[in-house]
Amino acid sequence: QLQLQESGPGLVKPSETLSLTCSVSGVSISSHNYYWGWIRQAPGKGLEWIGTIYYNGDTYYNASLKSRLTISLDTSKNQFSLRLSSVTAADTAVYFCGGAATISGLDYGGQGTQVTVSS
Amino acid sequence: DIQMTQSPSTLSASVGDRVTFTCRASQGISSWLAWYQQRPGKAPKLLIYKASSLGSGVPSRFSGSGSGAEFTLTISSLQPDDFATYYCQQYNTYPWTFGQGTKVEIK
Repeated sequence: QLQLQESGPGLVKPSETLSLTCSVSGVSISSHNYYWGWIRQAPGKGLEWIGTIYYNGDTYYNASLKSRLTISLDTSKNQFSLRLSSVTAADTAVYFCGGAATISGLDYGGQGTQVTVSS
Repeated sequence: DIQMTQSPSTLSASVGDRVTFTCRASQGISSWLAWYQQRPGKAPKLLIYKASSLGSGVPSRFSGSGSGAEFTLTISSLQPDDFATYYCQQYNTYPWTFGQGTKVEIK
């Protein structure tokens, strides 16, 4: 059974880089026809798609974040990660990671991680 | 980008009620639609994928239907755990987009 867990710092200073990791168990992240991704939810708001990475490393990003965003796979650790540079208060949100077979929507099995951007 | 519009925004219902939500896409998305349930402070839970396929471990009182641009989620008999916010999301075309959500409140 697929299990995911986000980790990363809860507080990031403005203009710095946010780095989050999603640890995956139950499925190899390089399994064919699987994809992985991140969404976020700002306080009191709806869900925002951040980006998706396929088992072969292909990535798709939200255009509004693309210039600052990198999502990558670490097959040796069965993890994938998010890096968002030059953060501002607008990046304050709960971040969720998810994964699934490509026929399905992502399954966000983790708890989510609160990220606050503040000096 | 494909816009997803959910209706209603809020729904008041009682335990045992049959409830139906609607999600409309601004263009056709075939059946590449997922429904999520989110309780306060929790991660979204995948209920339905590919418009009508039940997610793993999801009770059979949840069902989804539709294709193209109009979709529905039905809860056949509302249970106390079902009071939450429901989101639709299209994954036919990048960027993936979510609806604004339907909140189910206790009547």
